[in-house]
Amino acid sequence: GENVEQHPSTLSVQEGDSAVIKCTYSDSASNYFPWYKQELGKRPQLIIDIRSNVGEKKDQRIAVTLNKTAKHFSLHITETQPEDSAVYFCAANFNKFYFGSGTKLNVKP
Amino acid sequence: DTEVTQTPKHLVMGMTNKKSLKCEQHMGHRAMYWYKQKAKKPPELMFVYSYEKLSINESVPSRFSPECPNSSLLNLHLHALQPEDSALYLCASSQDTGFEKLFFGSGTQLSVL
Repeated sequence: GENVEQHPSTLSVQEGDSAVIKCTYSDSASNYFPWYKQELGKRPQLIIDIRSNVGEKKDQRIAVTLNKTAKHFSLHITETQPEDSAVYFCAANFNKFYFGSGTKLNVKP
Repeated sequence: DTEVTQTPKHLVMGMTNKKSLKCEQHMGHRAMYWYKQKAKKPPELMFVYSYEKLSINESVPSRFSPECPNSSLLNLHLHALQPEDSALYLCASSQDTGFEKLFFGSGTQLSVL
């Protein structure tokens, strides 16, 4: 099956700085890569996703980049705010979702 | 309506109890999922229903029994659970069955005593 590795496990940034979270996947047949944000005690929420035929996608302060050759994709958050503090999960689909292990992002005011 | 609704939000049960978790969506999605999430871990897939038929069972113990009465509803029947089954149980749905754009419910926090 698919294997998704996510780094770092924790990330602490100052408000206004950028944050980058990286994931690698093992199965080249994976074709859809979403990112979920989960605040403490709440549901995972889809914040951005990308398909394998696209290299980059942006939505306001959030962007995702995909390198199919290297089999990795990254989440970029610019101008971070305290409300960005949460656990972020990447995922790759190949027949079913495979989640990364999660990154706890802490944005310090 | 763009929500997946789960009830109850919290559940405490003994090891001999029988209880059910409920999930509802009115987005016309044709795939529905049950996930289990332990603290500080990613969600783990348990079951997938596609067009009201069970399509994936991730070797889940029989003390968990899913049911899909219609395209909007998904239940998870619980019986003779163990303390290690305590977790957040998340329901999700998606338009189609390709595991894309999953929308999660807010979950049921289950404690087994």
